[in-house]
Parts: sequence; C-alpha cells; structure tokens
Amino acid sequence: AQSVTQPDIHITVSEGASLELRCNYSYGATPYLFWYVQSPGQGLQLLLKYFSGDTLVQGIKGFEAEFKRSQSSFNLRKPSVHWSDAAEYFCAGTFNAGNNRKLIWGLGTSLAVNP
Amino acid sequence: GAVVSQHPSRVICKSGTSVKIECRSLDFQATTMFWYRQFPKQSLMLMATSNEGSKATYEQGVEKDKFLINHASLTLSTLTVTSAHPEDSSFYICSARQVGALAGGYEQYFGPGTRLTVT
Repeated sequence: AQSVTQPDIHITVSEGASLELRCNYSYGATPYLFWYVQSPGQGLQLLLKYFSGDTLVQGIKGFEAEFKRSQSSFNLRKPSVHWSDAAEYFCAGTFNAGNNRKLIWGLGTSLAVNP
Repeated sequence: GAVVSQHPSRVICKSGTSVKIECRSLDFQATTMFWYRQFPKQSLMLMATSNEGSKATYEQGVEKDKFLINHASLTLSTLTVTSAHPEDSSFYICSARQVGALAGGYEQYFGPGTRLTVT
C-alpha cells in the first residue's frame, strides 16, 4: 500500500543551525511529493513539490528538498533555521491516477527552534 | 494567487444542532475540493472528495449522512455537520484543486481551517 512516513515526530534545533526533516514513501513508481508547513493558527502552506526532472527542488522560505529514488526519500532541508520556522511540517504524496488524486500524508514533524 | 477561504474560522454550537462550513476558492476555479479533519497534534484525515456538480466521495468510516458535502459551483463547497455531538469537535480543513491543472499540477491549496466546538 502507498504510504508516507515521517520518522521524526519532534525535532529541536538552535537558531542558525541547519535542518533536515526526513520523509520516506512507499510506492512502486515515482509519486508526486509535497512538503507543507502549518504554523499555529494558520493554514497549510505549500513549501515545495516534486513531480519529475531535477531531483533537487527549491521552495519558498529558503527550503529545499531532494528526491532520492534509491532511498524512496524526499527530505526537506534548510541551511540556517530562523525562529519563525518553528511549526508543524507535513510531507505528502499523491500516488493514484485520475482526477481525484488524493494526498497521502505523513504524521508530521513538529519543529522547535531554540534561540 | 490560489487563495482558499473558509468561513467561519471558529464556531461553537450546542449538541444536536447542525453547522455549515463554507470553503471558497477566491481567485481560481476548483473542479475538486477536499475536506479534512485534523485532531490535535495529528496529521490530516481525508473525509471526502467533492467534484463540482456531482456527489462527494467519502472515505471509509466517514458517515455521509452526518457530514453533508455540497459542491454546487466551481468556487464553493460546503460541509454541514448534522446533529453535531461533542465527538465531532475538531479542526476542519478544506482544500481545492484548480480547473485544468496540468498533469503535474495536482497540488492542493488549503483553507485556514474551521475550529468546531460542540458543547
């Protein structure tokens, strides 16, 4: 069955440190992959997406993600974290054909940033 | 662009009453809208998928008679929680996908969510 896994439930980093949030998927082919951020009291915002082509994807707010087929991973990275990056991060993928492509969600990683 | 609004943002209702939540795509037309439920500190749970002009497709375990979904136009979908009970209290989120999205453009744009509290 198709699935998206975020192994880390909670991560704490210091402001200015680098960040990597892990995401793995289970699917026989290449899915469409997304990273969303959910800040307290705000809606989900799309950070970046991967459909095909260049496996290193640049997103908003200084984030990037790299698709690695051999590892079935799509990890999110940021070289220097800001306090405002503290939020919940969700990795998601679409695997089904047709118009009603549903998003399969990871359980999320809660990011805390220490000053 | 691609802004989705939800109304109301918060609602408190008494047990046994019905509540309607609106989801609107403000600057694009959405053939497909999705309704999610999110429990505290948890991921999103897809409740149903609605296509404009047709009946919604509900996920397994979601009561279609309790959660009525209407997608009457390309910019509006509504979720009505009928005969609400305290266990229906949750954060409800809608999302929309754009008409004519390219093969790779299947991203969903999310509303800010509606916090429902049933007393």
